[in-house]
Amino acid sequence: DVKVTQSSRYLVKRTGEKVFLECVQDMDHENMFWYRQDPGLGLRLIYFSYDVKMKEKGDIPEGYSVSREKKERFSLILESASTNQTSMYLCASSRRDRGREQYFGPGTRLTVT
Amino acid sequence: AQKVTQAQTEISVVEKEDVTLDCVYETRDTTYYLFWYKQPPSGELVFLIRRNSFDEQNEISGRYSWNFQKSTSSFNFTITASQVVDSAVYFCALIQGGGDMRFGAGTRLTVKP
Repeated sequence: DVKVTQSSRYLVKRTGEKVFLECVQDMDHENMFWYRQDPGLGLRLIYFSYDVKMKEKGDIPEGYSVSREKKERFSLILESASTNQTSMYLCASSRRDRGREQYFGPGTRLTVT
Repeated sequence: AQKVTQAQTEISVVEKEDVTLDCVYETRDTTYYLFWYKQPPSGELVFLIRRNSFDEQNEISGRYSWNFQKSTSSFNFTITASQVVDSAVYFCALIQGGGDMRFGAGTRLTVKP
C-alpha cells in the first residue's frame, strides 16, 4: 500500500511565526505535491517537485516555499504565517510517468491566529 | 485551458438508492487522463479510478461504476445501492498532456440511513 504521512493533523500557529509542514512517502515516488484545500475553492496546487532539490511553482506559491533534500520527504514552509493561510494542507506523491494518479496524505489543518 | 466541472454541489440520498455524480471536463489535448477521488470526513483523499483518453470502456468495481463519454466530455460516477459509508466529498480530476492535475470543486454526497 502507498503510504503518505504528514507530520501533524492539526496545527495552531500565531501570525508571523515560521511554520514547517512535513510530508513523507514510502513508495519511492519521484513526484511530490503540496495543495491547499478551502471551501468552495477545491484543491489548489502550491508547489511540486519532480526530483530531489527540484521544485516548481504551482498556482498559488506566494507566501510559501518548499524543500526536498531527500526523495521521500517534501516540506512546505510558511516563512511568516498569516491568517489567510489558515487552511487544510494536503501532500501527495506520484510516479514520474505522465498522467499518473496521486496518492494523498491525511492532511494538516492549520489555523493561524 | 483545462477545466473540470462538477455541477452538483451537494446530493442527499437514502440508503440503497442509486446515485450518479456528474463530471464534465474541457481540454484541447487528445491525450489526457481522468480521475475520481473520495474524501471521507477523515480528510484523506482516496484514489478510486484513473482513465486515459484512449480507453472509453466503462468500468465497474463492486457497487461503483464509471461512464466515460468523449462525445459529451463527461466522466460520470455511479454508486449502486448506496450505503452510509459512501458519505463523502467526491472529486473528479483531469491531467492533460504533461500538465498538473486539475480538480473539480467536489460533490458532497450524504447517504441517510
